[in-house]
This record gives sequence, structure tokens and C-alpha cells, in this order.
Amino acid sequence: QSVLTQPPSVSAAPGQKVTISCSGTSSNIGSNYVSWYQQLPGAAPKLLIYDNNKRPSGIPDRFSGSKSGTSATLGITGLQTGDEANYYCGTWDSSLTAGRVFGGGTKLTVL
Amino acid sequence: QVRLVQSGAEVKKPGASVTVSCKASGYNFGSYYMHWVRQAPGQGLEWMAMINSGGGSTDNAQKFQGRVTVTRDASKNTVNLQLSSLRSEDTAVYYCTREAIGAFDLWGQGTLVIVSS
Repeated sequence: QSVLTQPPSVSAAPGQKVTISCSGTSSNIGSNYVSWYQQLPGAAPKLLIYDNNKRPSGIPDRFSGSKSGTSATLGITGLQTGDEANYYCGTWDSSLTAGRVFGGGTKLTVL
Repeated sequence: QVRLVQSGAEVKKPGASVTVSCKASGYNFGSYYMHWVRQAPGQGLEWMAMINSGGGSTDNAQKFQGRVTVTRDASKNTVNLQLSSLRSEDTAVYYCTREAIGAFDLWGQGTLVIVSS
């Protein structure tokens, strides 16, 4: 069972918007930055968002992140079929020495 | 080109050890912490262990205590993961990843480790 809680799946039509939630506690999300990763089928994860809401170079502004209290949210607008993937949130957990933790992942289906 | 290239797939018997290697190129290897993350078939990401930029400090998830060793060789720009006392539940894809900007910004292609008798 993952430390961070994500919905197993979300779906939306092409062109629409979707949000993926990530819930934690005061020792992880509540006190640390959150990052988000996209994992396309058969590929390694790719960083989408860091420091709660920053995008690395090359990540389109269709992807956004936010954090409030002990929860974080990934938003994707203008959905494309190529966005079908698993999405993971991640952060540190201050109750664990150097411990990084992930959510269980959310499968995005673009209908 | 900035990248991490990992060693090839391994098949091991229960009780054996495995070493997975990860070679960095295209950036200053010695400036970054390195981590290992694994993914069992059909499952999510699981953080395993890390080594600091100088190689003098490591840490790992409690569940791997006593079984995991992470080392790095600055002369070869390589980081290694050794996992001992393998069991079937260790069957997974193992990823090395670089920590930068407070997140894992660069990932290897993954190494499949199968533990089977």
C-alpha cells in the first residue's frame, strides 16, 4: 500500500480537462514539495512537475500542479490521446530518513 | 546527450544477489544524488535507496534494510545497486534516477530482474 493516495483511474475525452489528486499527511505532502511523473506504456517515468507547480523545460503548459495542505493536484488541459499514461505523485516523508515516497499511480484514459 | 544507461536484464535464483549498474553521461555526475526506484509487474513506483553526490552517504527504505547496497564510482560515472537474498517478490524493473531541482529529473531505461527457481 502506497504512502500517498491517488485514484486508480480517471478518464476524459480529447480536448477536455482532467485532474488527478494525491493525498498524504503532514509528514509528507504537508511539509514537503510534491513532484509529478508521467509513465507511458513500456517507458521509464518522466518528470512533469516539481516544487508543487513548476514545469521542467520542455513540458507544455497544458500540465499544471498545485498543493493545498496535505493534498496535491495535477491538472491536464487539452487532453490528447498521447497523454494516456500512468501518473504518479511523489515527495519526501519527514518521518523517514531520506525517505522518498510515491502515490500508487493513476491510469489516465483519453476516451 | 544527458542520459543514464543501465545494465541488461538479469535472471536470478531465490537467495542469490544481483547487481544493477547505471552509467551517466552528458553532465557532471559528481554533483548529483542518485536514487534507485523499482516497479513490480503491473504495480507502482517504489523508492529503494539513495547515495549522495560524493558517495560517502547512503540511505534506503526500511523494507530493504540489510539487503541493499548502493555504491558509486566517480571515475566511471557509474552508480550500482546490489540487492541480496533475492526472493520472488523482488521481480521488478529497477530504475536509477538523478535527483535535481528537488525531484527525479532524469531516469535510466530500467533493468528487468526476474527471480525464479
